Amino acid sequence: NAGVTQTPKFRILKIGQSMTLQCTQDMNHNYMYWYRQDPGMGLKLIYYSVGAGITDKGEVPNGYNVSRSTTEDFPLRLELAAPSQTSVYFCASTTTGADEQYFGPGTRLTVT
Amino acid sequence: QKEVEQNSGPLSVPEGAIASLNCTYSDRVSQSFFWYRQYSGKSPELIMSIYSNGDKEDGRFTAQLNKASQYVSLLIRDSQPSDSATYLCAVLDTGNQFYFGTGTSLTVIP
Repeated sequence: NAGVTQTPKFRILKIGQSMTLQCTQDMNHNYMYWYRQDPGMGLKLIYYSVGAGITDKGEVPNGYNVSRSTTEDFPLRLELAAPSQTSVYFCASTTTGADEQYFGPGTRLTVT
Repeated sequence: QKEVEQNSGPLSVPEGAIASLNCTYSDRVSQSFFWYRQYSGKSPELIMSIYSNGDKEDGRFTAQLNKASQYVSLLIRDSQPSDSATYLCAVLDTGNQFYFGTGTSLTVIP
């Protein structure tokens, strides 16, 4: 049972480039989340999904897009990367949406 | 804008002492509350969840919730150097969204 996996671990992007952060969970969780964590700050919710085919915006969705075609996968797409998107990105999942979140190891992204 | 406030610290306690971490939240209808521990460079991991007013104990950890005061706290008894980390308070709103505080940095001095 791998839990929540994220790829890549690190990435450097140039301004204006695009990329997809991958997130996969093998726990059959319905709820999945994407957060960003800036240095010395808490986590901010970007997007979340309550099941395959259903996504919704969180606190800070601008500049990002998501899709949820399967229960296992919840990729996060960055279009036209900006320096303000430099952050650590965490993917998480839960069973019911009101219980413990299981976090992936994170992706450290730098946009220069 | 829903807010979760924590004292950023840093909080330093000697080994064996009680560490007290506090959190207030703005959304009065929130029902679920969580404490996560995050070591530097790592992802958060759940310490405690609490849903009802009062105290909930798990080993050396006690979570306290007072919904009327919109206040939740975490007590760590017999603090150990391995407890040195950042502690994040998280609140779940009625719309499936989690809101996190900025975290309190705890250092336990041997």
